[in-house]
Amino acid sequence: GAGVSQTPSNKVTEKGKYVELRCDPISGHTALYWYRQSLGQGPEFLIYFQGTGAADDSGLPNDRFFAVRPEGSVSTLKIQRTERGDSAVYLCASSAPGQAGTGELFFGEGSRLTVL
Amino acid sequence: LAKTTQPISMDSYEGQEVNITCSHNNIATNDYITWYQQFPSQGPRFIIQGYKTKVTNEVASLFIPADRKSSTLSLPRVSLSDTAVYYCPYMEYGNKLVFGAGTILRVKS
Repeated sequence: GAGVSQTPSNKVTEKGKYVELRCDPISGHTALYWYRQSLGQGPEFLIYFQGTGAADDSGLPNDRFFAVRPEGSVSTLKIQRTERGDSAVYLCASSAPGQAGTGELFFGEGSRLTVL
Repeated sequence: LAKTTQPISMDSYEGQEVNITCSHNNIATNDYITWYQQFPSQGPRFIIQGYKTKVTNEVASLFIPADRKSSTLSLPRVSLSDTAVYYCPYMEYGNKLVFGAGTILRVKS
């Protein structure tokens, strides 16, 4: 596709359940980011991939959160034992080769997660 | 530690020029200055980037003084559709782009 694609756009789940959020970056983009955004706040960094490896996962809040990018393209953010505080919009972004260090990211529309 | 500071909100009227200033504490020598725009229910959108002096594109102008301790995003002749949140994130150790709360711009008719 032309832009970053995220699925599902909306996810409602119950406390304690497992959730997977998918991100399909722009074709050819080697860098991929996950952010989380709560109402009224800016995006909060979670994790950054360069190719298949997680170059920086310092933003993951705890070990219930995990992300993979096995083939260097699509990425999945996995949340175990969801809590109500996990409710937020999860944003994915990608960056062209050589552009990640300049701060030029392309964001998807986000996946809105609601934990009841 | 690098950090950016910008006003929480600004109000303007249609047709006016809007200038949003961001302070860049401890910006690294090699870091670019970038600005993003975010509409409700959408992801942030990159709008402009610069290193120093002035940059202009079809959306906005970006003014960066020689000391690079601040930047000003200039939106000419705003319309209601420019109502959005504007961010000037900073780069933290490598490729980690950090966003603050941004500036809420409200354009009124």
